[in-house]
Amino acid sequence: GIQVEQSPPDLILQEGANSTLRCNFSDSVNNLQWFHQNPWGQLINLFYIPSGTKQNGRLSATTVATERYSLLYISSSQTTDSGVYFCAVERGGGSYIPTFGRGTSLIVHP
Amino acid sequence: DSGVTQTPKHLITATGQRVTLRCSPRSGDLSVYWYQQSLDQGLQFLIQYYNGEERAKGNILERFSAQQFPDLHSELNLSSLELGDSALYFCASSFDPGLHYNEQFFGPGTRLTVL
Repeated sequence: GIQVEQSPPDLILQEGANSTLRCNFSDSVNNLQWFHQNPWGQLINLFYIPSGTKQNGRLSATTVATERYSLLYISSSQTTDSGVYFCAVERGGGSYIPTFGRGTSLIVHP
Repeated sequence: DSGVTQTPKHLITATGQRVTLRCSPRSGDLSVYWYQQSLDQGLQFLIQYYNGEERAKGNILERFSAQQFPDLHSELNLSSLELGDSALYFCASSFDPGLHYNEQFFGPGTRLTVL
């Protein structure tokens, strides 16, 4: 199946810092999403972004499908950004099996 | 709030028992996914239903089964439970995977503890 690798696995920041999270995938994809799992376990949609660039407030994401990677940018981080960020993909060719990366665990200190 | 509901929120049971987890998708969504999240395995896709029919199967054990009913809610049945089945079980829904626009929305999860 498709392989999804996220980096870095862990990230510790001071409030106000910027960061870039990366998601590499091993095959062409039809769908790609970024999620934030907060400390209470809830999975929150951040972006649906199989290609291109999107922005939502302090967060933005870019997917370069031809090079098989996606980036999530967090600017001016806040303590509420803490949690685990997951990338999830669905391979092309009619496969409906979603695959999640192992996630990036982010801790933002005040 | 994603609009996806799951019950119960927590479930504690003993080894060998059987439990049923329930999921109601967002209004208008036809597809339901089930996932298992454990510390060592991460988020694992179990099974997907689309408009009442099984669409894709992932790493689902034979002891587990699911179905989607005519009103589109879904149930995940876990039987002969083992300690290793303790995990967070998520349901997600999406409108129509066939359109290749398949944004999934997750419910709050059911935390299963097997003692």
